[in-house]
Amino acid sequence: KNQVEQSPQSLIILEGKNCTLQCNYTVSPFSNLRWYKQDTGRGPVSLTIMTFSENTKSNGRYTATLDADTKQSSLHITASQLSDSASYICVVSARDSNYQLIWGAGTKLIIKP
Amino acid sequence: DTGVSQDPRHKITKRGQNVTFRCDPISEHNRLYWYRQTLGQGPEFLTYFQNEAQLEKSRLLSDRFSAERPKGSFSTLEIQRTEQGDSAMYLCASSLGQPPNEQFFGPGTRLTVL
Repeated sequence: KNQVEQSPQSLIILEGKNCTLQCNYTVSPFSNLRWYKQDTGRGPVSLTIMTFSENTKSNGRYTATLDADTKQSSLHITASQLSDSASYICVVSARDSNYQLIWGAGTKLIIKP
Repeated sequence: DTGVSQDPRHKITKRGQNVTFRCDPISEHNRLYWYRQTLGQGPEFLTYFQNEAQLEKSRLLSDRFSAERPKGSFSTLEIQRTEQGDSAMYLCASSLGQPPNEQFFGPGTRLTVL
């Protein structure tokens, strides 16, 4: 069964600190993996998209990594800011159904001053 | 602002009433998707359109739900005889339909069924 699992479920860190969020998936055949940021009460916004051949991609202070062999991804946030407080959702697309995305439940990140 | 708009942003209704939501995608996008999201969960796929054709419907989409995209532009999602379990955020997304098929999401419509 195609699944995406994220950890931790929630995380609280102090402003300025770094953090890493984890994503494990069992989607096959793999097409691409995305990380979305979702502010409370808003729609998700794409941070990165990685295909099978890419093992790292950065977007400002966000760096995503992908290990297609172990089916794991991580999202590293550097020098966190209060505006980083949001849910971060890992999403995987299977090659034979690129219209449908398999969503993780997300990690709720809270940045405290 | 991603360029995808949804209306209304919030809807409160009584159980048994019908509701209709509208989504306006990014104009050149041929694919349009509807998702439902409950608190603490990722979005769940409901249905998607390529132009005006509805190509896939999730088993989550009971016969009380219907979606249309009459001219391949905006879309509507109607829920008939609403139930309390329908309370959720309803998200619309659009894409160009080419790999990697990045989807751009609207702000969502928050439905509360009393």
